[in-house]
Amino acid sequence: DQQVKQNSPSLSVQEGRISILNCDYTNSMFDYFLWYKKYPAEGPTFLISISSIKDKNEDGRFTVFLNKSAKHLSLHIVPSQPGDSAVYFCAASVGAGNMLTFGGGTRLMVKP
Amino acid sequence: DAGVIQSPRHEVTEMGQEVTLRCKPISGHDYLFWYRQTMMRGLELLIYFNNNVPIDDSGMPEDRFSAKMPNASFSTLKIQPSEPRDSAVYFCASSSADAPYREGTEAFFGQGTRLTVV
Repeated sequence: DQQVKQNSPSLSVQEGRISILNCDYTNSMFDYFLWYKKYPAEGPTFLISISSIKDKNEDGRFTVFLNKSAKHLSLHIVPSQPGDSAVYFCAASVGAGNMLTFGGGTRLMVKP
Repeated sequence: DAGVIQSPRHEVTEMGQEVTLRCKPISGHDYLFWYRQTMMRGLELLIYFNNNVPIDDSGMPEDRFSAKMPNASFSTLKIQPSEPRDSAVYFCASSSADAPYREGTEAFFGQGTRLTVV
């Protein structure tokens, strides 16, 4: 049973436009959510996180929104750049220690 | 710090052979994680350590898999005997719970070891 799901395996966006990546979870015990970015032949790189006491966290072009009642979070990238093209993983954890449960990933392609 | 260092980057071995993957976490981090990435199952946690002690190994697929952390700066993941279905990318990650805010405890990943068992 997948506790963290990313239902869109891929997303294509024009440079300068907004990219919206979505993630759903089923475990109501999750209290910390993260987005990781992964380029080919590299390990995942931390991008942005949000704790369950917040509903929004912003860092430059990246904003994560959390809707606890819907068990849904999303990552907004604006404006999108070709260098943002990568696989984005949503992850969640319960309590401390970052034992992460990952979604299946969404491949983002930003076209020039 | 050089980040999480994994070796080797690539490993090709024959079925039945023993394989050992190595990881050096970021200095000062007290959590270490082993993940495996496959097309079918995505990124899944195999085992994690806190202060060198294994805390949860429920993700280890079979008894053929074992992991050790003899000290704070080194961990191994061993597969004996290896099978073709073990082919995957294995990631090691580390993190620190010793942060003033929870949002500072994200895990840092190594570049991974791509294992191919033929």
